Amino acid sequence: ELKVEQNPLFLSMQEGKNYTIYCNYSTTSDRLYWYRQDPGKSLESLFVLLSNGAVKQEGRLMASLDTKARLSTLHITAAVHDLSATYFCAVLNTGNQFYFGTGTSLTVIP
Amino acid sequence: GAVVSQHPSWVICKSGTSVKIECRSLDFQATTMFWYRQFPKQSLMLMATSNEGSKATYEQGVEKDKFLINHASLTLSTLTVTSAHPEDSSFYICSGTGGLNTEAFFGQGTRLTVV
Repeated sequence: ELKVEQNPLFLSMQEGKNYTIYCNYSTTSDRLYWYRQDPGKSLESLFVLLSNGAVKQEGRLMASLDTKARLSTLHITAAVHDLSATYFCAVLNTGNQFYFGTGTSLTVIP
Repeated sequence: GAVVSQHPSWVICKSGTSVKIECRSLDFQATTMFWYRQFPKQSLMLMATSNEGSKATYEQGVEKDKFLINHASLTLSTLTVTSAHPEDSSFYICSGTGGLNTEAFFGQGTRLTVV
């Protein structure tokens, strides 16, 4: 069974600070996705990482993928309040099924 | 990006009744649809995967007779919660993908409350 773990589960950080969220998965996969979820809402796609060494950046968020280590990171640079949300990574298995990480609830405080 | 339209957004129903949730892919052909359930402050749990024209594949622990999934066309999939009970109250989300190595697009979600 494919397991996807995120660390940390909860994160409170001050505006302007940097932090990294980690996503570990248990089986071989070359496809890793990051999503954002606001309370009561569905998922918003942030990044799709399709190969080892892939790095993508959008605004204050940057995601990377190391398929050999089965690790993806989501780095937050100079956090702002608008980034407060829950972030999920998800891995696609060979059966084309998504398995989601535990989620990281991020609160950015002034 | 592509759009998956899910409705209703929220529904309240009585115990013992059935509820149907629809997901439509508006500008792409969703060869595969996924259905997820999310309890408060938890992650999304995959319930089932359906390919157009085929029977859905259910995850372990998900009752296929209770959660009926139909994916009769490339643009429409439905989830029917039969004989709903309060413990079925949850946030249900669908997503569709057009094939391997393509992104999955998520519906807006349906909040089901069974009273």
